[in-house]
Amino acid sequence: QQPVQSPQAVILREGEDAVINCSSSKALYSVHWYRQKHGEAPVFLMILLKGGEQKGHDKISASFNEKKQQSSLYLTASQLSYSGTYFCGTGRGGSEKLVFGKGMKLTVNP
Amino acid sequence: DAGVIQSPRHEVTEMGQEVTLRCKPISGHDYLFWYRQTMMRGLELLIYFNNNVPIDDSGMPEDRFSAKMPNASFSTLKIQPSEPRDSAVYFCASRTTGLAGGNEQFFGPGTRLTVL
Repeated sequence: QQPVQSPQAVILREGEDAVINCSSSKALYSVHWYRQKHGEAPVFLMILLKGGEQKGHDKISASFNEKKQQSSLYLTASQLSYSGTYFCGTGRGGSEKLVFGKGMKLTVNP
Repeated sequence: DAGVIQSPRHEVTEMGQEVTLRCKPISGHDYLFWYRQTMMRGLELLIYFNNNVPIDDSGMPEDRFSAKMPNASFSTLKIQPSEPRDSAVYFCASRTTGLAGGNEQFFGPGTRLTVL
């Protein structure tokens, strides 16, 4: 079952913040976040495995709620290089399969 | 170290022709994934292998699609016969065994397939 990502697209000015949500109707084993720039391959950002977990590096962080049905990616003080499409990929226990959401297109302007 | 290598990078073919996409995973990685990306459907998993053995092919659209992994350093995705609706970007990704579900996948640059 494909996770639902929201919003679908956001336009920011450099320095502004953004939040990307990823929701599932069923409890998840894991959530993976990737960023894809136009014409390129998806690039890994981070993985969350535990309910209530929060992770981050630099100015990008993510959380996984206690029920493990929703994850959010937080982009703080956005930079031009943050532009791209952000995908969440969700995993269920017992399988290495990831199901990706349709993505959120982020545009950061000067 | 080289990343995941895919060839060709672009393929244009006519409906009915056979198409073969190739992938070389990162050395030492024991999982290999084939994805298809379109605007309408997003990024979809087609099939994945573990130690060269197909584990889940439930995403393969139909019998026209087949995938093989004859050894740890090579995999192919074949479409025969190809149809215009197969036009998409096909990605190969690999990863190591580790914490279940907890390892990042490394994606190749993709093959852009156009079927006329």
